[in-house]
Amino acid sequence: QKEVEQNSGPLSVPEGAIASLNCTYSDRGSQSFFWYRQYSGKSPELIMFIYSNGDKEDGRFTAQLNKASQYVSLLIRDSQPSDSATYLCAVINAGNNRKLIWGLGTSLAVNP
Amino acid sequence: GAVVSQHPSRVICKSGTSVKIECRSLDFQATTMFWYRQFPKKSLMLMATSNEGSKATYEQGVEKDKFLINHASLTLSTLTVTSAHPEDSSFYICSARGPGLAGKRDEQFFGPGTRLTVL
Repeated sequence: QKEVEQNSGPLSVPEGAIASLNCTYSDRGSQSFFWYRQYSGKSPELIMFIYSNGDKEDGRFTAQLNKASQYVSLLIRDSQPSDSATYLCAVINAGNNRKLIWGLGTSLAVNP
Repeated sequence: GAVVSQHPSRVICKSGTSVKIECRSLDFQATTMFWYRQFPKKSLMLMATSNEGSKATYEQGVEKDKFLINHASLTLSTLTVTSAHPEDSSFYICSARGPGLAGKRDEQFFGPGTRLTVL
């Protein structure tokens, strides 16, 4: 079982809709959770980070963390074509030199 | 805040030469820097973790004598690809993490990447 799992997609949503991206992780001791956005040919860009159970909102983005169910999600409201990218979920476990454990990413396409 | 730069952004070299890539944290002190490699349409692969003033910790399967990492200051880490071969052609990306950012604990900020092509 992979440590961090994401649906590879592509996830296709119409412009203006809510895009919902999901991620599950296997290590119950995981402490920090991140969503990165990566455009083709570019490096990852940090979108959201969340450390505690519940929701965290930043502009059009909301990260949701449920440690009991071991999942973290990212909601993008009012999706725009410029949101079309690969979204990478990453997790930090206790110890392990606090390096990021990456999912393979979900490709999102927002259609005008 | 939290800006990381990389230089060069693109390099083309002949097989057998060595290439040095610089990674700088511009507005914070990076106690830890990470080096990744990414092949087209593939996921990020962590190559090594470097802590300022210490030897880098390499991931399994990454040759430390081929990929030399130096993290001599809190704002600069370098990756040298020695005796580069065509199979080393890839997108190399650094990231930096530092304790000095208010309220930020584990976040890694990425440089823009260096695209290496070995002929």
